[in-house]
This record gives sequence, structure tokens and C-alpha cells, in this order.
Amino acid sequence: EIVLTQSPATLSLSPGDRATLSCRASQSIRGYLAWYQKKVDQSPRLLIFDGSSRATDIPARFSGSGSGTDFTLTISSLEPEDFAVYYCQRGTTFGGGTKLEI
Amino acid sequence: EAPLVESGGALVQPGGSLRLSCAVSGFTLDFSWVTWVRQAPGKGLEWVANMKRDGTESHYIDSVKGRFAIFRDNAKNSTFLRMSGLRVEDAAMYFCTRAVVLPGGRVYFDPWGQGIRVAVSS
Repeated sequence: EIVLTQSPATLSLSPGDRATLSCRASQSIRGYLAWYQKKVDQSPRLLIFDGSSRATDIPARFSGSGSGTDFTLTISSLEPEDFAVYYCQRGTTFGGGTKLEI
Repeated sequence: EAPLVESGGALVQPGGSLRLSCAVSGFTLDFSWVTWVRQAPGKGLEWVANMKRDGTESHYIDSVKGRFAIFRDNAKNSTFLRMSGLRVEDAAMYFCTRAVVLPGGRVYFDPWGQGIRVAVSS
């Protein structure tokens, strides 16, 4: 069973900063990784699939990269609404999440 | 209108039963896998169960096998999660979502319902 490890657990940044979130798989998953944004009292929102493809209506400041075992979600310039918890996913496995806080 | 709307959540005692419903609009379930994901208080997302579009296959996380059952009614464009033998650790927000299954075993979840709360306590 594949395990996804996200780091850091918490990332403290300010609006306008660049955010870099990491997801590491316990074995190669090629490019097949998704990223979700989860805010309190809201449903998860698909941001990125296939490692680097943006989902519908996702702003261009969100980008994904990586393949094999190491993946990155980058938010180029943080907006106030971007502060949330981010999860990576492959198949039926989710990572533990990275909380992006101000 | 939200594409998926869950209902049926409640406070139940340990050992109790519930049936969650998820009504789908805007797309047909006939060609989709359906999935339930939960989030316990203070915890991350956890996949619970899914069912193939024709209903011939279903899969469950080990902790709910034998207690939960996922089923679907394509005529009503709805999916359901029947839960029995509920435990304190089953308490969570439950989300239904469409599993987008692409070639190569790629699976992504989109869209999602707003979630429904299940509380388990004596």
C-alpha cells in the first residue's frame, strides 16, 4: 500500500508570499497525483490532477510538479483566501495534509 | 444547485445504524464511480468506500468492512452509505464525491458534496 507523506505539517506565510508544499510517495506513482484544498466547513476542492494539470476554474497561481515519488504544489503569490489545509491524493490514499496559515 | 447533496446524518449511540444519502444533479451517475470520504474532527481526509458505475464492484477501508455498505440507485441518480455497528471512531463529516477514473489507474475526486455530520456517542 502506498503511503503519502506531506511536509511541512504547518506552513506560516503572509499574503504575497510564495508557498511550496511537498508530498512524498512511499513508492513510485509516476505522475498520478492530485492536490485538494480544504477550508473549514467547506468541501474539498480539486486543484491539480495528474501531477501538474490544473482543474477547472483553478487560478494560474496554483501549479503542481513532480513525478515518481516527489511532488510539489506551489502557490506563486498567496491570496488571503488561499490559507487552508492542502491534501495530496493517489488512488484511495490521502496524505496527512499541510496547514497553510498566516 | 450543488451537484451532490448529502443527507441522513445524525447523533447515534455506539452500535447504532444510519443510512446516508447523496443526491446527484448536473451529471449522471451511470458513467461514474461513486465514493464516500470522511474527515474526523481534527483529522485529515480518509477514503471510506467506493462503487463501480455498474454496481458490480465495491471496495471499503478495512475498518468498516462488514459494517458499512455502499449502494447506488442510478434511476434516482443517488448513492447511499448504510452504516451499522457504529463506533465512536466513525464519528466524522462524511462527503460523497464522484471518482473520475482515467486510463492507467488514475483516480481523482471531483466534484464533492458539502458533507454531512455523523456523531457517535452514548
